[in-house]
This record gives sequence, structure tokens and C-alpha cells, in this order.
Amino acid sequence: DTGVSQDPRHKITKRGQNVTFRCDPISEHNRLYWYRQTLGQGPEFLTYFQNEAQLEKSRLLSDRFSAERPKGSFSTLEIQRTEQGDSAMYLCASSLKLAGGYNEQFFGPGTRLTVL
Amino acid sequence: AQTVTQSQPEMSVQEAETVTLSCTYDTSESDYYLFWYKQPPSRQMILVIRQEAYKQQNATENRFSVNFQKAAKSFSLKISDSQLGDAAMYFCACKETSGSRLTFGEGTQLTVNP
Repeated sequence: DTGVSQDPRHKITKRGQNVTFRCDPISEHNRLYWYRQTLGQGPEFLTYFQNEAQLEKSRLLSDRFSAERPKGSFSTLEIQRTEQGDSAMYLCASSLKLAGGYNEQFFGPGTRLTVL
Repeated sequence: AQTVTQSQPEMSVQEAETVTLSCTYDTSESDYYLFWYKQPPSRQMILVIRQEAYKQQNATENRFSVNFQKAAKSFSLKISDSQLGDAAMYFCACKETSGSRLTFGEGTQLTVNP
């Protein structure tokens, strides 16, 4: 297993277009997280899944954003009608949540989105 | 809500020297974790060190150690014997035990000079 993977690594789109990103977590990790990182800032939480259930969404996740994890494995993040303010690095992380204790989040390399 | 603040946008250190990165945080909960993550250029973020708030002993991982001051809500990272490979953006982060999200600071860009 090579860790969390994300596709594509880079995406350039025009304002108003829809984009979709994919995240493949570490095998058997039951939790999957999406974060957004703008230039010069730390990552900001967007949403997370436990298995296929989306358990928490940040207020940053406007109605133009939707995330899914249909079979509890990979996840997709879609942005509709992109705006220039959506330009950022979108990071995915996964963890194995067990009863009690701490579960480390392992990060993927990110998808860098540029909206022209 | 938790907040994390890193007041040093940039730091530099000579190879083999020691550097300390600062971080302050705020949380209303008594049970939480604190972390330092490293993000090298164009590479993914990796965990450097973790501290459980209930533990009084400061965490140590090889050349990396923390100074955890719970009352002051301070959590600094000390890197000893700095190496060129330590050059990266370093993020301080907090996670409340009752929650799942990590809250990150703004980051400190560390440069290691040969």
C-alpha cells in the first residue's frame, strides 16, 4: 500500500465549469477527510466520512460543493460553477478509527485547482 | 471552537544548529491532541510529533521535541541538529478528542542554511 492517492494532481479550469476530484484512502481506513489549503495558509477542514456516511460538514462547504464516498472506499469532491476563490490545494486524508485511542490522519499529495 | 496561531511566518537555522518554532492554541475542551506536521515543497504532509493534553511529559521523537505549556496554551517544536532535509513548511494543529477535524495554524516556513 502506497498511502493516500489523489487524482488529478493539478486541474486548471475556467470560471463557471464543474470539476471533480478523486481520493483513494489507505486500504481499510474507515475515515476519510477533505481539507482545503489556500496559498500561504494552513489546511481548513471541509468534511469527513466514516465509511460511506458523511458525518460532518464545515460551513466552508457551500452548496456548490458536494462530496461522496459511495462504497466506503474512494471519495469524490465535486465543485459546481467554479469561482476564482475556489483556487486552492484540496487535500484528502484518511485514518483508521478504532474504539478509543488516537487515529492518525495520513494525507495525500493534494489536487491543486486553478480557476481562471 | 478551537484556534491555532503561529506567529512566525518564516524561520531560518544553520545546519546542525537548534531551532524552535512557536505555536499557541485555544480550545474550550480539556481533552485534546496537539500536533506538528511537516509539509515539504510539492510533497505531502507528514506527522512529525504528537502530544496528548493529559500527558505532562513532553513528547520526543529523535531530533524533534516539544515544549507543552498547558496553562499558557503554548506548544513549541524544537528541532535539534538541523538537517537540510528539515527545510519545509511546519504546521501546528489541534484536535479535540470529541471531534474529528484537525485545526491548523498558518504555518512557519523553515529554511536550513548549509
